[in-house]
Amino acid sequence: AQKVTQAQTEISVVEKEDVTLDCVYETRDTTYYLFWYKQPPSGELVFLIRRNSFDEQNEISGRYSWNFQKSTSSFNFTITASQVVDSAVYFCALSADGGSQGNLIFGKGTKLSVKP
Amino acid sequence: DTGVSQDPRHKITKRGQNVTFRCDPISEHNRLYWYRQTLGQGPEFLTYFQNEAQLEKSRLLSDRFSAERPKGSFSTLEIQRTEQGDSAMYLCASSNSGSRPDTQYFGPGTRLTVL
Repeated sequence: AQKVTQAQTEISVVEKEDVTLDCVYETRDTTYYLFWYKQPPSGELVFLIRRNSFDEQNEISGRYSWNFQKSTSSFNFTITASQVVDSAVYFCALSADGGSQGNLIFGKGTKLSVKP
Repeated sequence: DTGVSQDPRHKITKRGQNVTFRCDPISEHNRLYWYRQTLGQGPEFLTYFQNEAQLEKSRLLSDRFSAERPKGSFSTLEIQRTEQGDSAMYLCASSNSGSRPDTQYFGPGTRLTVL
C-alpha cells in the first residue's frame, strides 16, 4: 500500500528562522515520484517541486531546499530564513506506479505559521 | 497562461439536493482529476480522465457521484441527493500525459456546504 506521513501537524516559527517539514512515504514500487505542494489560506494548491525515485540529488531553489533519502523513505523540505508569506499548509504527495497512475496520494499536511 | 478554473467557488445547498460543479483545465492538458479535501486532511483522489475517457475511479466515488468530460475539455462533477458528509472542498487538477511524470496543477476549488 502507498502512504505518505507528515507527522508534524502544525509548526510555528518566528520570521527569519529556518524550518524543516518532514515527509515519510511508503511504496513497494521501484519507480515513483514525490511532490510538494503549498496551500495558502486562499485554498489553491501550488506546485513546488517533483522528484523521481532515481534522483537522490538534493535541490535548492532560492530559500527552499529538498532532501530526498531513499534509505529512510523521506523527502524533507526546508525553508531558510522564513517569511510571513510562507505561512500556509504544505503537502507532500506520492505518485505511484512510475507516475502512470492518475492519482496522487497526499499526506495530511503541515500547517506552517511564520510570525513577524 | 490561464490556470485551472472552477465554478462555482462556493456552494451552499440543503441535504437531498443535487449539485454540479464545473472545471476548466489548462488548455493544452489532456488529463483532468477530481479530488475531495475535508478540513485538516490532504486531498483525496476521486477520479480522473484522459481526454474524454474516465480511466480511474476511487471507492470514495459512491453511486451518488458522477463525473463527465464529454469533449475532452471541461469536466463536471455532479453529486445527487447530497448528504452532510459531502461537505468538503472539491479540487480539480489537470496535467499533460506527454510529460513524465505529469505534474498536476490545481484549481482554486469549490467549497460545498450541505445544510
